[in-house]
Amino acid sequence: QSALAQPASVSGSPGQSITISCTGTSDDVGLYNYVAWYQQHPGKAPKLIIYDVSDRPSGISNRFSGSKSGDTASLTISGLQAEDEAEYYCSSYTGTYTFVFGTGTKVTVL
Amino acid sequence: QAQLQESGPGLVKPSQTLSLTCTVSGDSISSGSYYWTWIRQPAGKGLEWIGRVYSSGSANYNPSLKSRVTISVDTSKNQFSLKLSSVTAADTAVYYCARDYFEKFDSWGQGTLVAVSS
Repeated sequence: QSALAQPASVSGSPGQSITISCTGTSDDVGLYNYVAWYQQHPGKAPKLIIYDVSDRPSGISNRFSGSKSGDTASLTISGLQAEDEAEYYCSSYTGTYTFVFGTGTKVTVL
Repeated sequence: QAQLQESGPGLVKPSQTLSLTCTVSGDSISSGSYYWTWIRQPAGKGLEWIGRVYSSGSANYNPSLKSRVTISVDTSKNQFSLKLSSVTAADTAVYYCARDYFEKFDSWGQGTLVAVSS
């Protein structure tokens, strides 16, 4: 059960859009629509921002959006803001009653 | 929204058993609507799913930790617990408890740091 692959870092200027990829396999990301994304600020617990590939929990800005193509899921942050600077993790159900997280991506707002 | 709070020793000796408890408020573990999950994060590293338990006591574990992990539930106290045996320095991490609602972790505890050291 290997971690899902994410880029180590992504950066953008305020107002720009950035996309973070999350690559798994045909046994996890490619097979199930149970992909979620979490935002984690330093010293804080992760916070759910996207679930079921593209749904947003109540209270989460519509600047966050998710999608999936094949074995790769993506998180897009549009209208980048200083408060979006954080670590982002994807996760996927694996089908054997287990879950796997991504390696994490540090987002820097320039 | 449920509130979750981890508790337990912050220091465990190598080869011993790490034991943590998560107390849930604002929700009932016995409602049967959720799984209750443990996740950990070594300093400066990513998240690792440890396992989850249902109100019935049925549990699922990360295959890489399965031989050392037990997750149990106490519905009378609205708590669930983690036991990790034969710990080494590699088990030093912040441990989070979380609520799993249809394959998403929608409520998290604040996390508790457990160090493994003699």
